[in-house]
Amino acid sequence: DAGVIQSPRHEVTEMGQEVTLRCKPISGHNSLFWYRQTMMRGLELLIYFNNNVPIDDSGMPEDRFSAKMPNASFSTLKIQPSEPRDSAVYFCASILGQGSYNEQFFGPGTRLTVL
Amino acid sequence: SQKIEQNSEALNIQEGKTATLTCNYTNYSPAYLQWYRQDPGRGPVFLLLIRENEKEKRKERLKVTFDTTLKQSLFHITASQPADSATYLCALEQGSGTYKYIFGTGTRLKVLA
Repeated sequence: DAGVIQSPRHEVTEMGQEVTLRCKPISGHNSLFWYRQTMMRGLELLIYFNNNVPIDDSGMPEDRFSAKMPNASFSTLKIQPSEPRDSAVYFCASILGQGSYNEQFFGPGTRLTVL
Repeated sequence: SQKIEQNSEALNIQEGKTATLTCNYTNYSPAYLQWYRQDPGRGPVFLLLIRENEKEKRKERLKVTFDTTLKQSLFHITASQPADSATYLCALEQGSGTYKYIFGTGTRLKVLA
C-alpha cells in the first residue's frame, strides 16, 4: 500500500496567489482529515470528511480556505488568496471506519511558504 | 477552554534508560487518547491508543497510562535507543463519536548513544 499521498511536497508562492493542495487517501478508508502544523500552534484540525461529505469545517480559519472531496480517492484544500500567515505544513490523514478508536494514517505533508 | 500540554522542552536521555513523556489536559473528558511519533519532515505515525477505562496499555517497549482523575497520560519507552529519537505527540478525542482529535504540540526526545 502506498499510504496517503500528498502533492506537492513543497510549495512556495507569493501573497495573493491561489494555492491548491492535493491528497489521495488510502484505498478503502472512508474518513479524511486536513491538518495544519506550525511551531506555535502545533497540529490543528481544519476539516474532516466522512464518505466524501464534509462533517465538520469549524477549524477552517477563514473563508479564504476551502476543501472538497469529489470522490473517495481525492481531496483538495484550496487557499485563495494566500497570505504569509498561511505558511505551515499541511497534512492529510485518513482512517478506516468511523470510530474514534481508529488510528489516523498521515501523509508526508505539504510545506507551504507564502512570501 | 480545552487545553493539552506537553513539555515543550526537549528531553535528552541516555541509551538504555526509560524515557517518560507527559501529556496533561484540562476541560476535557476524552474517551480515547492516542500517541503518535513524528520524525523531521514526515507525518505523524500512530503508536498506541488507550481508552478511558484502561489504566495502562503496552506494546513492545512502549507503555501508556491514562489517569482520568489526574487528567494525565504518561508515555514510557523502556530500554531506549537512538532510533527512538523523535517528537512524540499525544492526541485526545475531542468529543464522543466526533472522530476529532486535539493534538498536543509534542515533546522532542533525543536518546544519546
